[in-house]
Amino acid sequence: ETGVTQSPTHLIKTRGQQVTLRCSSQSGHNTVSWYQQALGQGPQFIFQYYREEENGRGNFPPRFSGLQFPNYSSELNVNALELDDSALYLCASSLWDRDTGEQFFGPGTRLTVL
Amino acid sequence: RKEVEQDPGPFNVPEGATVAFNCTYSNSASQSFFWYRQDCRKEPKLLMSVYSSGNEDGRFTAQLNRASQYISLLIRDSKLSDSATYLCVVNGGNFGNEKLTFGTGTRLTIIP
Repeated sequence: ETGVTQSPTHLIKTRGQQVTLRCSSQSGHNTVSWYQQALGQGPQFIFQYYREEENGRGNFPPRFSGLQFPNYSSELNVNALELDDSALYLCASSLWDRDTGEQFFGPGTRLTVL
Repeated sequence: RKEVEQDPGPFNVPEGATVAFNCTYSNSASQSFFWYRQDCRKEPKLLMSVYSSGNEDGRFTAQLNRASQYISLLIRDSKLSDSATYLCVVNGGNFGNEKLTFGTGTRLTIIP
């Protein structure tokens, strides 16, 4: 196991609602990245947090926002949920100081928007 | 053009056969390259990193051709447990620890 945990594991929401997903990074890691994986697709980069600041963002609208806390855990917030937001949301942790680029994924949160 | 493109699949291969996956990437500034494996309804897990010199890990061999922006994965003597989706992954950051860009994945099924 990677040591990366996510909560909740599953979530059902309705259109227009807001959701918060949580991630605890692997011990010793200081960087958290979030990805969205739609059915049958590869994960798509949402954003990355390092030292509690957003460090890079993919092609996602502002209603996707995040936070990183001093203990390096992170939250992903999605406002005004749309049906297309239904997906597996993956959190990945890594150590910024390593230049290999390897990231370790949590088990994901499966979000269903009705 | 997609940033990372993979063989469309699915691949249905008899046990014991050799199977090869190919992948191309568009960003010539990419620094790191990986193959991840993803089992059904599970998270992606690193299978192996890919180096310019080529690298081997047991039955798995990965190759990188920077000039052609091409990555490959070869699986020899395939096992039933190799059935999974294989994701070609490129790290596009200049530093090396930035966003991972994934291909859509190629689904492999090993047939007994």
